Amino acid sequence: EAGVTQFPSHSVIEKGQTVTLRCDPISGHDNLYWYRRVMGKEIKFLLHFVKESKQDESGMPNNRFLAERTGGTYSTLKVQPAELEDSGVYFCASSQELGAGETQYFGPGTRLLVL
Amino acid sequence: RKEVEQDPGPFNVPEGATVAFNCTYSNSASQSFFWYRQDCRKEPKLLMSVYSSGNEDGRFTAQLNRASQYISLLIRDSKLSDSATYLCVVRRTNAGKSTFGDGTTLTVKP
Repeated sequence: EAGVTQFPSHSVIEKGQTVTLRCDPISGHDNLYWYRRVMGKEIKFLLHFVKESKQDESGMPNNRFLAERTGGTYSTLKVQPAELEDSGVYFCASSQELGAGETQYFGPGTRLLVL
Repeated sequence: RKEVEQDPGPFNVPEGATVAFNCTYSNSASQSFFWYRQDCRKEPKLLMSVYSSGNEDGRFTAQLNRASQYISLLIRDSKLSDSATYLCVVRRTNAGKSTFGDGTTLTVKP
């Protein structure tokens, strides 16, 4: 069974540009999460989709970030315009059920560098 | 204060050693607890969930003390392959959001 996949694996852009990250969850997983780790900090939650609906977007840093999950399958996270502090590793995770004990499976991450 | 705090590390131990990592959490609404392992430049992977009664998986033992809001991970007979960063993760009941500690880095040396 394929795991969570993310594209691209790396992205280097200039400040002010736009970047779109993609996540394909494990097939059949209704729950999809975005997290990120900026340099020197812990992994932090960004948001959670249940199918195509945003269940919790409390971790989104500001309105430069837009996440979508049209059709409830893959998700995109767009950063527009990108700022230097957006650099970091963006992880996507998915889980089959929603529950505090449910395992979340992480993708390999997208390493974003904003210059 | 961070919601999840871990031993800062790093831990450098010889093969065969026993090593323990500690983690504390501040949100008493937290209900589920996990240890994840993250290898360099890789994604976090679930090592084990932590149950109230404590649980063991081979050389790994996890303990939870709800009264003290404290979680631990014990690794016995360390192997070179145990070298990684260990992440303490906490989740509230029926919430998808996971809260991570900074991680503790373990290096096992021959």
